[in-house]
Formats: sequence, structure tokens, C-alpha cells
Amino acid sequence: ELKVEQNPLFLSMQEGKNYTIYCNYSTTSDRLYWYRQDPGKSLESLFVLLSNGAVKQEGRLMASLDTKARLSTLHITAAVHDLSATYFCAVDPMEYGNKLVFGAGTILRVKS
Amino acid sequence: NAGVTQTPKFQVLKTGQSMTLQCAQDMNHEYMSWYRQDPGMGLRLIHYSVGAGITDQGEVPNGYNVSRSTTEDFPLRLLSAAPSQTSVYFCASSHNTPDPRGSGELFFGEGSRLTVL
Repeated sequence: ELKVEQNPLFLSMQEGKNYTIYCNYSTTSDRLYWYRQDPGKSLESLFVLLSNGAVKQEGRLMASLDTKARLSTLHITAAVHDLSATYFCAVDPMEYGNKLVFGAGTILRVKS
Repeated sequence: NAGVTQTPKFQVLKTGQSMTLQCAQDMNHEYMSWYRQDPGMGLRLIHYSVGAGITDQGEVPNGYNVSRSTTEDFPLRLLSAAPSQTSVYFCASSHNTPDPRGSGELFFGEGSRLTVL
């Protein structure tokens, strides 16, 4: 059974600082997704990582995937208040369909 | 192109009542699913469907029923509501994976917030 662990679960950081959110998963997969959720809202797709070594960047966020280590990272560069949200990673268990398994989420608060 | 549409957005039920959460998508996705979101637990899969006429259970299916009579619609039925079913419910759709037409990215509805008293 696929398990997905995120850490930290809560992150409070100052504007301008850098930090990394980690997503570990327990079984083989080379399809991983990052989503953002604002309070009371739906999930918005941030990154789609579909192979070992994949790296995607959008603004101050960069995501990478290491399928051998079963690890993805979401790196935040020079955080700004607008990045405050909950971030989820989700892993495809590689069965027919698309039964993504989600991590518990990381609540990010950026303080000005 | 409306994407994934869920109704209602909010609902309050009494224990033992039944109701149906509606979900429709207009992206011609084969795959549709229902998740529930509870604080600190991420999203957990309730039921899913890989195509019209095909449904299967996810991680937390007890107390819920689904059907998929068309490609577009995937309603979730609560048979006899319990306080433990108080949650936010999300419907999501995508192409089945693997599929060259898409990346497997799930598209989510706006969510339905359910309270069971």
C-alpha cells in the first residue's frame, strides 16, 4: 500500500527566507504532483513531475523528483506573504486509473 | 468549459438522513473520483470510476455509494449520514493514466462542505 509523508506539516517563515518541503513515498512511482490550497478553496495544480530527475520551476517555487530515493522536494526561494497556503504532494500508485494518494499537507505561513 | 462542477457547496444534515452530492465534468475525462478532506489527514479517496458503468472503492468507502451512468456525471450518495461524515468533499477528474493525451493531473471541483449533526 502506497504511503505518502510530507514534512514539515507546519512551516512558519519570514519573508525573504528560503525553505524546502519534503515528500517521501513508500512504493515505486514516477508520477508525482504538487497542489496548492488556499483556505476554504479547492486544490490548484502547481507541478506535474513525470520522470526521475524532473525539475519544474514557477516563480519562487521549484519542485524536483528523485524516483530512486522516492523523494520529491518543493523549494521556496525568498518567500513572500502571497505564498501562504497549504501545499500537498500526491503520488500515482501506477495502477490503471489515477488513484492519487495525497500527503497530509504542509501549512505554510509567511510572516512579513 | 466549466471544468468540474459540484453541488451543493454547503449542506447540513441530521444523523440518519440521506443525500446526494452531485459532480459533473465537461472535459471528456474517463476517470472521476471522490475524496474527503479532514484536518491533518490530507485527502482520502472514497470511490472512483475509470469509465461509464465502472466504479470501485477507494480507501474510505463505508457509508457511501456511487454510480457512473454517463461519462460526465459521478454522484456520491450518503446512505445514512453520521457525524463522522462531517467533512469537505471534493470531486476530481482526469484522463486515465497512463494516457498520451494527458499528464494524469487531477482537476478538482470547488468542494462541498457537509455537516452532520
